[in-house]
Amino acid sequence: EAGVAQSPRYKIIEKRQSVAFWCNPISGHATLYWYQQILGQGPKLLIQFQNNGVVDDSQLPKDRFSAERLKGVDSTLKIQPAKLEDSAVYLCASSFYSGTGGNTIYFGEGSWLTVV
Amino acid sequence: GENVEQHPSTLSVQEGDSAVIKCTYSDSASNYFPWYKQELGKRPQLIIDIRSNVGEKKDQRIAVTLNKTAKHFSLHITETQPEDSAVYFCAASKGSGNTGKLIFGQGTTLQVKP
Repeated sequence: EAGVAQSPRYKIIEKRQSVAFWCNPISGHATLYWYQQILGQGPKLLIQFQNNGVVDDSQLPKDRFSAERLKGVDSTLKIQPAKLEDSAVYLCASSFYSGTGGNTIYFGEGSWLTVV
Repeated sequence: GENVEQHPSTLSVQEGDSAVIKCTYSDSASNYFPWYKQELGKRPQLIIDIRSNVGEKKDQRIAVTLNKTAKHFSLHITETQPEDSAVYFCAASKGSGNTGKLIFGQGTTLQVKP
């Protein structure tokens, strides 16, 4: 079974520039998540999609971050303009409902962003 | 909202010893508790999970226990090996269907000394 695919794996940009990350979830997974993981910390949820609708974006800094999942499959996360504190790994994840409560969530390898 | 606290932040054990990592959660409605292992530069990978209708679950050398009353759950690794060295994250989730979101603990760096 193919895993969650993300690109690019690494990106270095200057502050105030923009960047976009792409994610392709596991086939058949209706739920897609974007997490931000700052070095030394646990992943923090930015946004959760159910098919192409947003379920939770309460922790997404909407003045600079945006995300979409137009056809309910692939997703893009954009940052514009970037700040130094946005340096982190952006993890995409997907899940299916197992039917017994709770989701089994699978992560991609992450997109490493350095803002200089 | 949900808050997950994880302890210790670092743990060093000798090969063959046991390791225990503990987490507490704040939202009594949480019903799903996975544990992830993350090696340096790699993705978090699910190693074991437990749902709120179960008190304990084992898979070879790893086990997880859940105390719903006290709102805490623990990861137990027995007969540790150097390849167990990694960062371990606990998480908690609530909600039904596909709406549950994972809230992660801060992570525990486990070092297994040969």
